[in-house]
Amino acid sequence: QKEVEQDPGPLSVPEGAIVSLNCTYSNSAFQYFMWYRQYSRKGPELLMYTYSSGNKEDGRFTAQVDKSSKYISLFIRDSQPSDSATYLCALKTGGGNKLTFGTGTQLKVEL
Amino acid sequence: KAGVTQTPRYLIKTRGQQVTLSCSPISGHRSVSWYQQTPGQGLQFLFEYFSETQRNKGNFPGRFSGRQFSNSRSEMNVSTLELGDSALYLCASTSWAGGSDEQFFGPGTRLTVL
Repeated sequence: QKEVEQDPGPLSVPEGAIVSLNCTYSNSAFQYFMWYRQYSRKGPELLMYTYSSGNKEDGRFTAQVDKSSKYISLFIRDSQPSDSATYLCALKTGGGNKLTFGTGTQLKVEL
Repeated sequence: KAGVTQTPRYLIKTRGQQVTLSCSPISGHRSVSWYQQTPGQGLQFLFEYFSETQRNKGNFPGRFSGRQFSNSRSEMNVSTLELGDSALYLCASTSWAGGSDEQFFGPGTRLTVL
């Protein structure tokens, strides 16, 4: 079983929809939780960074962490075609900078 | 502030050859991590360097190695290339040794092994 599980999709939604992306993890040592967006043939771009249970909002993006359930989510409101990309969750323990990634969810926002 | 830069952006090699990839972190960042991304395995951690010392290593064979220079620039080397080494190699930089600092990725080097 992988340390981090993420539904690979693909996920197709109409423009303006609310998108929910999720990851589950098994290692309770993970303390830092990130969401990256990766466009085709590009490097991952950091979207959200959280280190505690609860919600963090940034514009149209909300990251949610539930450490008790080992479950993290990213919500995208008013989705746009430019949001079409692969979304990767990444987790880190307290020591060092090694990130453990989910497989990524491919999202397509259609006009 | 300039981002993470990686050179070259594309490489084509043949089996058995070796390759060296370069990464320049964001100015002031001292930690560089390397990752391999493939369609089948996703993003996997290779190793991390901080202040010229390898701090952490992923589960890759010894053919994969790296180093970091005093200016924080890093190189990774893959010897005796195999077809399965074809991947996007990404480096990420962070300002220090760990904890809550964010990691920023470069555009990657796409390696094709024929």
